[in-house]
Amino acid sequence: GAVVSQHPSRVICKSGTSVKIECRSLDFQATTMFWYRQFPKKSLMLMATSNEGSKATYEQGVEKDKFLINHASLTLSTLTVTSAHPEDSSFYICSAKTGTNSGNTIYFGEGSWLTVV
Amino acid sequence: AQSVTQLDSQVPVFEEAPVELRCNYSSSVSVYLFWYVQYPNQGLQLLLKYLSGSTLVESINGFEAEFNKSQTSFHLRKPSVHISDTAEYFCAGWNSGNTPLVFGKGTRLSVIA
Repeated sequence: GAVVSQHPSRVICKSGTSVKIECRSLDFQATTMFWYRQFPKKSLMLMATSNEGSKATYEQGVEKDKFLINHASLTLSTLTVTSAHPEDSSFYICSAKTGTNSGNTIYFGEGSWLTVV
Repeated sequence: AQSVTQLDSQVPVFEEAPVELRCNYSSSVSVYLFWYVQYPNQGLQLLLKYLSGSTLVESINGFEAEFNKSQTSFHLRKPSVHISDTAEYFCAGWNSGNTPLVFGKGTRLSVIA
C-alpha cells in the first residue's frame, strides 16, 4: 500500500520553543493531508486539513497561530507547534489520501510523540 | 452530522476465542468504511477497508468485517484471537472528496492468555 512517512517519531522540547513535524507521502501525490492529535487513551481529534498551495482549514478550538501548517508541495506537509507548553504534549498523526474518489484510501503516518518539558 | 460509533470501549477476551468489535455509522456517512489498528506506542495501521463491491472484507491477519447497510454496521470479527492482537482498534467512516475521516472512539482489545 501507499506509504506516508512522518518525522520525527519522538521529540522532546523545552517549554517555549517550537518544534516542526513533517509528513511525507513517499509514493503518491497528496493534494490534501490531515493532521490529528491523540490524547492518552482517547480517540483521534482532527486538528486541521492541509491543502497544497493554500491555507490550512482548522477545526474549531484549534489555534492556527499555535499550530502552523504548511503544505508546500504535493508530497510534504509540516506541522509546527510554536511556543510549546507541556499541555501540547501529545501524539500527532498525519494522513494523506490516495487515488480518485472511487478508489480512495487514507493512509497514516507513523505518528510523532511530542513531549514538552 | 456524520458519526461513527464504537459501542464498546474495552473488550477482554481469552486467547483463541472469537471476538467481535462493533461499529455503527450514521446514514449520512458514505459507504467508505475502515478499520485501523494501533499497537502500543505505535501509529495507526490500516487493517481493512470497504469502498464498494463485496460486503465482506478480509485482512491478511485473519480479521474480517461485513458492511451491513440495513443495520448501518461494519463490525470487525476474528474467529480466534492471539495475544499479539492486543491493541486499540478504530472504526472510521469517510464521506468522499477531501473530507477527513470520522473516527469512532476506539475499542481496546485485550487478549488474555
